[in-house]
Amino acid sequence: NAGVTQTPKFQVLKTGQSMTLQCAQDMNHNSMYWYRQDPGMGLRLIYYSASEGTTDKGEVPNGYNVSRLNKREFSLRLESAAPSQTSVYFCASRPAYNEQFFGPGTRLTVL
Amino acid sequence: AQSVTQLDSQVPVFEEAPVELRCNYSSSVSVYLFWYVQYPNQGLQLLLKYLSGSTLVKGINGFEAEFNKSQTSFHLRKPSVHISDTAEYFCAVSPDTGRRALTFGSGTRLQVQP
Repeated sequence: NAGVTQTPKFQVLKTGQSMTLQCAQDMNHNSMYWYRQDPGMGLRLIYYSASEGTTDKGEVPNGYNVSRLNKREFSLRLESAAPSQTSVYFCASRPAYNEQFFGPGTRLTVL
Repeated sequence: AQSVTQLDSQVPVFEEAPVELRCNYSSSVSVYLFWYVQYPNQGLQLLLKYLSGSTLVKGINGFEAEFNKSQTSFHLRKPSVHISDTAEYFCAVSPDTGRRALTFGSGTRLQVQP
């Protein structure tokens, strides 16, 4: 099992560019999450998906869109990147009655 | 809504000394509690969790934590730290129902010195 995988590991964007962060899990979990981590603030929830085809906004959803087309994959899209979106992004998945499992993260810099 | 306060942003400690990392939370609903560890440039790894039952929880790498409902605390302890324990530690809570998203504290950087 690879667990939770994320691509890319690093990305540098210019203001206004778009990109999609990919996340996949092979543990057959229904619930998946996207968080961002900023210095001194811990992790904050961007979006959540309870199952294929369903998504729900978290604490900081502005500037992001998500897609859960199947059970394995949950992607995060930045349509027009801003410097305030410079952060480390983590994807996580969770089985029915247990803790969340995290991916290795994507370090994004927006210039 | 939930909130988590980690009272110390940095904790320096000498190798083989005991350590306690403090965590307090607030919530209007029942919660599950977690401690995660993050080594430099890596993802988050679960150290331990409290879901129900015994309030003293043992985790990996010799860590343990005690859930105190009356004080709304979940402090992390280790009797003797190693250099390899140097990392950032995050306390987190989630409601025990619904989407169960995690609310994290701001983290405590444990610096173990020789």
